[in-house]
Amino acid sequence: SAVISQKPSRDICQRGTSLTIQCQVDSQVTMMFWYRQQPGQSLTLIATANQGSEATYESGFVIDKFPISRPNLTFSTLTVSNMSPEDSSIYLCSVAQGDEQFFGPGTRLTVL
Amino acid sequence: GENVEQHPSTLSVQEGDSAVIKCTYSDSASNYFPWYKQELGKRPQLIIDIRSNVGEKKDQRIAVTLNKTAKHFSLHITETQPEDSAVYFCAASNAGGTSYGKLTFGQGTILTVHP
Repeated sequence: SAVISQKPSRDICQRGTSLTIQCQVDSQVTMMFWYRQQPGQSLTLIATANQGSEATYESGFVIDKFPISRPNLTFSTLTVSNMSPEDSSIYLCSVAQGDEQFFGPGTRLTVL
Repeated sequence: GENVEQHPSTLSVQEGDSAVIKCTYSDSASNYFPWYKQELGKRPQLIIDIRSNVGEKKDQRIAVTLNKTAKHFSLHITETQPEDSAVYFCAASNAGGTSYGKLTFGQGTILTVHP
């Protein structure tokens, strides 16, 4: 399976600021996704990161709050904008290889 | 959209016992059902999956069964070991459809295996 890395692994941020999370894959993949995992909860899909076009957002998530870039087939970024304590979560990118989906190590975000 | 319900939320067993986790899904178009294991502080790891053209799949001590008619699938772990302790998530997707690759997850089951 692909090797997926994320940066940063964790961060503590002040409310009102923004954080950009990077996801790097060691091979070209067509489908990349961003998920959120709130403390003690399951995973919720934020959006599909489309290469060369705008991301496709799930219900409850908007581009202004979670802008996503996908400049090529190995890299994507997720920005969490104008953060509030409710944004404290683990953010994970994933890639699809065939039907199977593999996750990055996650970024643990704490907003004070 | 798809909705996946997972039970139980917690499961405690003795080492060597079997553990069963059950999930139901709502969208009859879903055709791919993976299971993930997430240890504390780590990423979810794909442990087994099943596609809708198969009723059962085994991999050593773990197996998954699928009942398309009833829209439910289950994870079976036999001869449990303490290292099986983790949170297990089921998921469903319509692989190949318009929602290709989009996984909907169940709520998770915290499995504890006591030595």
